[in-house]
Amino acid sequence: KNEVEQSPQNLTAQEGEFITINCSYSVGISALHWLQQHPGGGIVSLFMLSSGKKKHGRLIATINIQEKHSSLHITASHPRDSAVYICAVSPDTGNQFYFGTGTSLTVIP
Amino acid sequence: DVKVTQSSRYLVKRTGEKVFLECVQDMDHENMFWYRQDPGLGLRLIYFSYDVKMKEKGDIPEGYSVSREKKERFSLILESASTNQTSMYLCASSFEGGVCNSPLHFGNGTRLTVT
Repeated sequence: KNEVEQSPQNLTAQEGEFITINCSYSVGISALHWLQQHPGGGIVSLFMLSSGKKKHGRLIATINIQEKHSSLHITASHPRDSAVYICAVSPDTGNQFYFGTGTSLTVIP
Repeated sequence: DVKVTQSSRYLVKRTGEKVFLECVQDMDHENMFWYRQDPGLGLRLIYFSYDVKMKEKGDIPEGYSVSREKKERFSLILESASTNQTSMYLCASSFEGGVCNSPLHFGNGTRLTVT
């Protein structure tokens, strides 16, 4: 049973396109995290949010707690955005994160 | 900036060897985690620690142990390496405030191959 589902699994876009990655979860949460992993392994935390919307540069994350759904948007995509984007949730009970399997994004110049 | 440092980027070991993976963080974080990452399976928690000398099993602790003698260091030990432990291993840390209620900071990962 996957507590966190992401879609799509793979995404190819042309430079400049607007990109949306979706995350649905099935447990009650205290926070949702968006992570970015570039080839080579290192993972960077992009956002942690529990309601509404957060923006950082060209990245926007939204969450709808009632619908148990979050989206990560990238505006004016660039080849350097090519990475795997991972959704993770902090459940409101217990002490483990649940992770999605990631969305592999390739932005073509 | 938080720095989480894993001792090796690439490691090749033989079946049956005892393997130590070291992780050090420099931000006085209480919580530290060891994950393994495999294609199609995402990140799976092996062990985590919320304080010195404290440890808790994650989803897949079999074949692994951990040690946290100092706050900044969390070691993962493969008691007798097997080929099914070939994987990417990622260490992470976070502040207190509920184990899951602060951002995770990851190391660059150790790609372990067991032959």
